Amino acid sequence: ETGVTQTPRHLVMGMTNKKSLKCEQHLGHNAMYWYKQSAKKPLELMFVYNFKEQTENNSVPSRFSPECPNSSHLFLHLHTLQPEDSALYLCASSPGLAGSYEQYFGPGTRLTVT
Amino acid sequence: GENVEQHPSTLSVQEGDSAVIKCTYSDSASNYFPWYKQELGKRPQLIIDIRSNVGEKKDQRIAVTLNKTAKHFSLHITETQPEDSAVYFCAGQMGNEKLTFGTGTRLTIIP
Repeated sequence: ETGVTQTPRHLVMGMTNKKSLKCEQHLGHNAMYWYKQSAKKPLELMFVYNFKEQTENNSVPSRFSPECPNSSHLFLHLHTLQPEDSALYLCASSPGLAGSYEQYFGPGTRLTVT
Repeated sequence: GENVEQHPSTLSVQEGDSAVIKCTYSDSASNYFPWYKQELGKRPQLIIDIRSNVGEKKDQRIAVTLNKTAKHFSLHITETQPEDSAVYFCAGQMGNEKLTFGTGTRLTIIP
């Protein structure tokens, strides 16, 4: 699959579990994003990375921990989540932050917290 | 920071009719306004965008208009078809600031 890929596509975890979401982009982009999509907030920005540096943390609880080892990979580490964290987590990338770039989204990870 | 409001939240139109979705933004310095379409079970994808130096842009059946004075922009879809059914998101961006999305409009085309 080309473009932006995400694994796993579905994840069910208990509140005491630790899991990680992975995102990979094959587009040579420099900026990567994590979004949370739920019925209450359809497209909520969580984190932004530009050239591997975090430039935005949109007041996200510490139970979500992002990691960006290089411009092609982005992780979201999850621990002690709450049922209200159940949502679709979308990764996106763009060539850069400035210059009005299109964001390319991945297919998302459907997360269910039990 | 930027705040983008989008209306309506749901919209149903008869096939063949036109659909209009409106968004307002708060930061007069915002200069880039894209529209994304998300079909059921799929990822959001850019369908059209407009920059602040342009008042209108068209691409086949879709068009976007921008009123900088009033700080609002709209998506127009003409001759709607069943495949236009989706959730549409507007967004605004200033320079290298983050892209701020609206809350989405669920458009349903009635055959």
